[in-house]
Amino acid sequence: DVKVTQSSRYLVKRTGEKVFLECVQDMDHENMFWYRQDPGLGLRLIYFSYDVKMKEKGDIPEGYSVSREKKERFSLILESASTNQTSMYLCASSLPQRRYNSPLHFGNGTRLTVT
Amino acid sequence: DQQVKQNSPSLSVQEGRISILNCDYTNSMFDYFLWYKKYPAEGPTFLISISSIKDKNEDGRFTVFLNKSAKHLSLHIVPSQPGDSAVYFCAGPVFQGAQKLVFGQGTRLTINP
Repeated sequence: DVKVTQSSRYLVKRTGEKVFLECVQDMDHENMFWYRQDPGLGLRLIYFSYDVKMKEKGDIPEGYSVSREKKERFSLILESASTNQTSMYLCASSLPQRRYNSPLHFGNGTRLTVT
Repeated sequence: DQQVKQNSPSLSVQEGRISILNCDYTNSMFDYFLWYKKYPAEGPTFLISISSIKDKNEDGRFTVFLNKSAKHLSLHIVPSQPGDSAVYFCAGPVFQGAQKLVFGQGTRLTINP
């Protein structure tokens, strides 16, 4: 079974702090993703990585950066946390989407509150 | 780019009856769609998919129907069980061949005993 592990389930940070969210997958997947989930908005893609050191912006990259130094690890960085970044953050991994049966496997999420 | 919309934020169904969740999409060029299920405090889990060459895919109690002319897909759950209470998301590639998925807003399904 694929396991995607997010380092924290709950985080509370202050406005202006630099925040690191860590994600590790154990299935040697090429693709890794960071989404945020907000009520009524579904899951929105922040950043995507298709290989080590490779990244692509998603729909809402402003205020975020990412790091992928190793294949199994994908970090999301909030450079200066703001209250509108309070959300549920979901990391996912997948094989390359060459076939429809390559679904995303998600971690359990990190609930971040910025005060 | 593809957009997917789930216009019903919530749905309530009696145990044992059929649950039907709906999703509309904008771009007729696509490879497949997927449905995910999410319980509170957990990440979404993959439920079922359908490729563009099919109009139906079935897996146990779950069936997804694809109506390409209407750009519409639906997930049928028969019979509905209390454990099916969750948020359901439809998703598809941002464009044909894309690695990234776009998700709908989600529908919260509640199964009443």
